[in-house]
Amino acid sequence: SAVISQKPSRDICQRGTSLTIQCQVDSQVTMMFWYRQQPGQSLTLIATANQGSEATYESGFVIDKFPISRPNLTFSTLTVSNMSPEDSSIYLCSVVRTRQSETQYFGPGTRLLVL
Amino acid sequence: QKEVEQDPGPLSVPEGAIVSLNCTYSNSAFQYFMWYRQYSRKGPELLMYTYSSGNKEDGRFTAQVDKSSKYISLFIRDSQPSDSATYLCAMSAFSASKIIFGSGTRLSIRP
Repeated sequence: SAVISQKPSRDICQRGTSLTIQCQVDSQVTMMFWYRQQPGQSLTLIATANQGSEATYESGFVIDKFPISRPNLTFSTLTVSNMSPEDSSIYLCSVVRTRQSETQYFGPGTRLLVL
Repeated sequence: QKEVEQDPGPLSVPEGAIVSLNCTYSNSAFQYFMWYRQYSRKGPELLMYTYSSGNKEDGRFTAQVDKSSKYISLFIRDSQPSDSATYLCAMSAFSASKIIFGSGTRLSIRP
């Protein structure tokens, strides 16, 4: 498995502001993903964070709202921009160690509340 | 229609009972099937992983996949209060690719 940490673990933000969430892995991984888990719902993939290039976004998610960086093989950030109460959610990063690996491991999540 | 359907529960059973959790899916391309366990205020933890059809056993947990029926199950034997959590089924078409999650079943084991 991989040891994954996220910062912050939780935050309360005002609408219209932005929050950047960090994901740090204890070793190099091939793939990193960002998910959203809204209250009482399952996980929805936001985007795949690509090292050294633009992230690949899923339908319904755009770069202007959720800019993502991945400067190296152990670190990624997700920014939630111009927040509204609808962005209140848990944001999780996940990793896959190698392209032959069949499993994704998840970080502990960042609980975001937007007032 | 959702790609993956899972009964949200909640499901409450007495300690020691056998628990059966199930998911159905519509995409015949799915080949990799997973069960994650998520405790309150924690990230999902990979519990079981199965490729294609068949059974896989790990301690008290057994995962079954029936691709002909597009149906997967997770059985928990001798359930313990510590098994109380939300269980998410998940699946993907390719290795190390996008995973589609079920909505999760909240399970409570009564002492």
